[in-house]
Amino acid sequence: EAQVTQNPRYLITVTGKKLTVTCSQNMNHEYMSWYRQDPGLGLRQIYYSMNVEVTDKGDVPEGYKVSRKEKRNFPLILESPSPNQTSLYFCASRPNGGVSSNEQFFGPGTRLTVL
Amino acid sequence: EDQVTQSPEALRLQEGESSSLNCSYTVSGLRGLFWYRQDPGKGPEFLFTLYSAGEEKEKERLKATLTKKESFLHITAPKPEDSATYLCAVGAGNMLTFGGGTRLMVKP
Repeated sequence: EAQVTQNPRYLITVTGKKLTVTCSQNMNHEYMSWYRQDPGLGLRQIYYSMNVEVTDKGDVPEGYKVSRKEKRNFPLILESPSPNQTSLYFCASRPNGGVSSNEQFFGPGTRLTVL
Repeated sequence: EDQVTQSPEALRLQEGESSSLNCSYTVSGLRGLFWYRQDPGKGPEFLFTLYSAGEEKEKERLKATLTKKESFLHITAPKPEDSATYLCAVGAGNMLTFGGGTRLMVKP
């Protein structure tokens, strides 16, 4: 089944404790992206990757890191999480980099709480 | 700066009562207008892409239309299972900018 998977689905952590949220897709998509969703602010793009070893900042990259060493994986790293990073996070992928290309597939989401 | 505004924020309909959701946008170099459906606790699910003014697309009870400044998602004779949050997004460059969404509730 074609899908985007994220782990963990739920995470409660404390300020400053480094964490990684994994994202994997099995559709051989070139483009992958991370979003956060907050009440009243909608979905905002954090980082995206056009292909392996190619990453770029979205609208809200502060406090996050990403890497794209393999085509299928795009982990989101929070080196020193803070309470304002408490949010619902989504990973997404699409076949290629052009925005006008095909639909974007979203993962099931990771709900992160930073105390 | 690209901006997307959706209205209303919430909409309650009776089953069978048709209505429309609005998505107004300002973007430099539109490369696509996207509609998604999001159910509680799940990721957004793709519905439509519209590329140029005048374009229309349909899927079951949903019909999306596009002008140079806004898009409408028309829902004809909705059913309770159409209850969800509907998200609009515009594509420019390599990114998507989303609106805040419209939460639709359809009562039987």
